[in-house]
Amino acid sequence: QVQLVQSGGGVVQPGRSLRLSCAASGFTFSTYAMHWVRQAPGKGLEWVAVILSDATNEFYADSVKGRFTISRDNSKNTLYLEVKSLTIEDTAVYYCARDGHGSNTGFDHWGQGTLVTVSS
Amino acid sequence: SYVLTQPPSVSVAPGKTAGITCGGDNIGIKSVHWYQQKPGQAPVLVMYQDSDRPSGIPERFSGSNSGNTATLTISRVEVGDEADYFCQVWDDDSDHYVFGTGTEVTVL
Repeated sequence: QVQLVQSGGGVVQPGRSLRLSCAASGFTFSTYAMHWVRQAPGKGLEWVAVILSDATNEFYADSVKGRFTISRDNSKNTLYLEVKSLTIEDTAVYYCARDGHGSNTGFDHWGQGTLVTVSS
Repeated sequence: SYVLTQPPSVSVAPGKTAGITCGGDNIGIKSVHWYQQKPGQAPVLVMYQDSDRPSGIPERFSGSNSGNTATLTISRVEVGDEADYFCQVWDDDSDHYVFGTGTEVTVL
């Protein structure tokens, strides 16, 4: 069965960096685009970034562009999110999600989420 | 940037029908997806491309999209349907995915 297992969250000081990971199994990882979505405490969902299946292109939300980098290692079936210059406003649960097969079919599987807390 | 507006809350009695709206400029020409999120859990896709149900989602869930409003309808509502629901589209103009503001469904 499809599984997305996340790791790498925690408490970090403002201005510091962190790398989140999402290990995929149960499907052919290299054929799916992958996303990061975040949710601040008590708030709604915010799409963060997407990377195409072959890593040839990435897109970012304006709120993170230039500070966050999405990447993937298809040989390790793992998705990453490098987050830099963190601010209090980046405090959130971060989810990885698989893009549905086919064009624009939603995010059909999600990781369990990992909490990133930015605090001094 | 593209904005999707949902009512903050919807209340419905068990066995009745709940309609959750998602408003956006000419949203009818976009493909709308819907997610259900229960407290402390990751979201779950319950509807894609306006009206298609993923496997495992009950037939009680249906969707429509026209003009400036998309709607997720839950028929014969059950207590287990209590959750937050979010709509989502891909905005071609910005190359961004956009989520709606979210609707809390309460089963009275």
